[in-house]
Formats: sequence, C-alpha cells, structure tokens
Amino acid sequence: QVQLVESGGGVVPPGRSLRLSCAASGFTFSTYGMHWVRQAPGTGLEWVAIISNDGSNKYYGDSVKGRFTISRDNSKNTLFLQMNNLRPEDSAVYYCARDMPPTITLFCCDYWGQGTLVTVSS
Amino acid sequence: QSVLTQPPSVSGAPGQRVTISCTGSSSNIGSGYDIHWYQQLPGTAPKLLIYGNTNRPSGVPDRFSGSKSGTSASLAITGLQAEDEADYYCQSYDSSLSGSVFGGGTKLTVL
Repeated sequence: QVQLVESGGGVVPPGRSLRLSCAASGFTFSTYGMHWVRQAPGTGLEWVAIISNDGSNKYYGDSVKGRFTISRDNSKNTLFLQMNNLRPEDSAVYYCARDMPPTITLFCCDYWGQGTLVTVSS
Repeated sequence: QSVLTQPPSVSGAPGQRVTISCTGSSSNIGSGYDIHWYQQLPGTAPKLLIYGNTNRPSGVPDRFSGSKSGTSASLAITGLQAEDEADYYCQSYDSSLSGSVFGGGTKLTVL
C-alpha cells in the first residue's frame, strides 16, 4: 500500500532554514510527480510546490518562490523541501502528496502523508 | 482571499442532500482545468474524494458526486451521515499563477 512519511519538522527561529523529507513506499516512486502542501493552524490548505517524476520540472506557490526548493532522490524514494529564510507565516503542518498521472488529470494529490509540523518562532 | 471561493460552512440533517460550491475564474476552472475535491476529517490528513471533476477513487461511496459548469464546480453529498462531518476543499490549476490553488474550505456540519 502507498505510504508517505514526512519528517524534519520542528521549531526554528525566523530567518533560519529547515529541510523536510518525505519517505515513499508501496509504489514506483520514480514514475510519479510529488507535491508539498501546507496547512497553517486552524486554516485551509495551501499548495506549496510540485516536482515532476524525474525532477526536471518544478513549480512553486507565490508565497514560497525564491525561498523554498523542492527536490527528490529517486534512488532513495525520498522527496525533500529545503526551506530558507523562514518566516512566522510559514508555520504550518507540511504534507507531501503523490501526484496523479498527468494522463488522468493535472495537479491532483491522490495519496497524502500524515504531515510534519513546522513552527517558526523566536 | 483564496483564488477558488467556497462557502465557509454548510449543514444538513442526516439523510439529506447538501452541495458545496467552488467558484473560480477564467484562469482556472473557466479555462477547462479539472477540479478535485478533498475531505479532511478532524485531526487527519486530507483524502481525495473526487478527481477530474466527476470521478471517484475506489472506496469512495457513490453518495459523493462532483460536477462542473463554466467557472464553477460543485460537490454533492446525498444521504448525509454523521461521519461526513468534515472540512471539504476544492483544488484546480491556475494558469496565471502557473500552479495549483485550493479553495478556502467548507466545514460541513451534520445536524
């Protein structure tokens, strides 16, 4: 069965960096695009970024562009999110999610991890 | 302010039918991009409910259905059950943002 397990969250002061990981299993990781989606406490979902199956294409939400970098290691079935210059408004639960094949539809998250909490505070 | 607009809340009694709207614009739903719907039960990760406007993943009851017209989409839930009480989100692609967007979410209360 598809499993996505995020890690790397924690408390970090403003301006610092953090790297999130998402370990994937139960499917052929290298054939699927992957998303990061976040949810600030008590608020709705916000799309963060997507990376294509081979890592050649990456797109970002406006609020993280230039500060966050999505990447992947297909040899280790792992997705990453490097977050630099963190701000208090970046505090959220960060979910990784698998992208449905583009032959079926675009930008659809068919499986989600349980999330990892990032708190940006001094 | 979300690019896709949903009502903050809807409610219905057990057995009733409710609908949740998702209104976009010419750069997302109106351009023909697919709408997807997610259900988020309290304290859990979102779960895909409807993809590609009208399709249900395996395991999702046929009480849930989706539709799309023009710059709007709707999620309908028939035969409302207590376990349907959750937050519901729509999602699409937006060409002016070159990325995905979510609606603000709708809290469904089963009376």
